[in-house]
Amino acid sequence: QSVLTQPPSVSGAPGQRVTISCTGSSSNIGAGYDVHWYQQLPGTAPKLLIYGNSNRPSGVPDRFSGSKSGTSASLAISGLQAEDEADYYCQSYDSSLSGPYVFGTGTKVTVL
Amino acid sequence: EVQLVESGGGLVKPGGSLRLSCAASGFTFSSYSMNWVRQAPGKGLEWVSSISSSSSYIYYADSVKGRFTISRDNAKNSLYLQMNSLRAEDTAVYYCARGRIGSGWYYFDYWGQGTLVTVSS
Repeated sequence: QSVLTQPPSVSGAPGQRVTISCTGSSSNIGAGYDVHWYQQLPGTAPKLLIYGNSNRPSGVPDRFSGSKSGTSASLAISGLQAEDEADYYCQSYDSSLSGPYVFGTGTKVTVL
Repeated sequence: EVQLVESGGGLVKPGGSLRLSCAASGFTFSSYSMNWVRQAPGKGLEWVSSISSSSSYIYYADSVKGRFTISRDNAKNSLYLQMNSLRAEDTAVYYCARGRIGSGWYYFDYWGQGTLVTVSS
């Protein structure tokens, strides 16, 4: 089971702003390790969305933003669009014995 | 353009073996760490294994340790995952992903399309 907890689902109307939380612990986010975010559109492979807590790879719209504080991180989507409907996963490094790279439980974003 | 193409998935009986391959192109393969990440049907992402650029460092998730072996051939720009003693819970789409590493961070910047492994009698 994942050590990074996300809400199962969030929803919003087109144009609205939604946020997704990613809650970790002192062995991962709280230890200072960066958080990264991935978007998985239906039936496709995951795609890197945010790296290093708040950096967007080339080609990712600035509607997507990330932040980190304490043992948690957040992904915000502003100006929600229909094509943003997807699953979103956070990911970080974990210093516990179970394995170094951990993903969040995933959040389904629904555009109403 | 970075491309990662997995192959080798299929249907296998419990206790059986399978070898996955990932063909890389569009970047200097020997300069990057590589990974396998899986996703069971309808479930989330699970990191499986990582291998450093020169194969010096190898890591496994507890769920596959002792049963799976990751390897790479830099001359062939290829990544492999040998899966033995397969169980029903190993059923998943297996993705090959390129790793980016730094001080306090490691992320997966490019992913393949995935290959489905089904373990069933």
